[in-house]
Amino acid sequence: DGGITQSPKYLFRKEGQNVTLSCEQNLNHDAMYWYRQDPGQGLRLIYYSQIVNDFQKGDIAEGYSVSREKKESFPLTVTSAQKNPTAFYLCASSLTGWAEAFFGQGTRLTVV
Amino acid sequence: GQQVMQIPQYQHVQEGEDFTTYCNSSTTLSNIQWYKQRPGGHPVFLIQLVKSGEVKKQKRLTFQFGEAKKNSSLHITATQTTDVGTYFCAGLLAGGTSYGKLTFGQGTILTVHP
Repeated sequence: DGGITQSPKYLFRKEGQNVTLSCEQNLNHDAMYWYRQDPGQGLRLIYYSQIVNDFQKGDIAEGYSVSREKKESFPLTVTSAQKNPTAFYLCASSLTGWAEAFFGQGTRLTVV
Repeated sequence: GQQVMQIPQYQHVQEGEDFTTYCNSSTTLSNIQWYKQRPGGHPVFLIQLVKSGEVKKQKRLTFQFGEAKKNSSLHITATQTTDVGTYFCAGLLAGGTSYGKLTFGQGTILTVHP
């Protein structure tokens, strides 16, 4: 099945620990995105990538890091520098930077 | 930076009533996309508008893109309970260094009372 997969669905971490969220797509899409969703704030862009080995900061990149070493993978690391990491994280991909985005099922991260 | 504002934040309607959500960008957009997110789910693409003044219809849904390519609207005629969810607009900037930066509005949460 073609699609975009995020894992795990739920993730719990202790404060002060870095955690990496996985995002894999087999749609052969060039562009990939990470969004954070909090109640009442919609989707806020963390990082985006248009091609392999290149990515740009979105609107709320502080405390996060990404890599794009392979076309199909765009992992997001939530570092201990992120002050409010508890949120719902959504990964998306699109064929090009102009095309419709396909979303994964999301990862709900809880930091305690 | 680019901002995409969406109103209203919440809309409660009786089944059969119409619903409209509005999207405004601080900068000119190359295109605008609309998504729907059901409760507990992830956003799903509805449509993309590219041309100035463009109007597209999908059954009871009508999408418009403003002449200046800075605003857009989604109108649902005669809402049904299956329309429940959050509707997002998402804009792509026209050129510049932010190519491919897909920015979402805050979304409008639609509740439909049977």
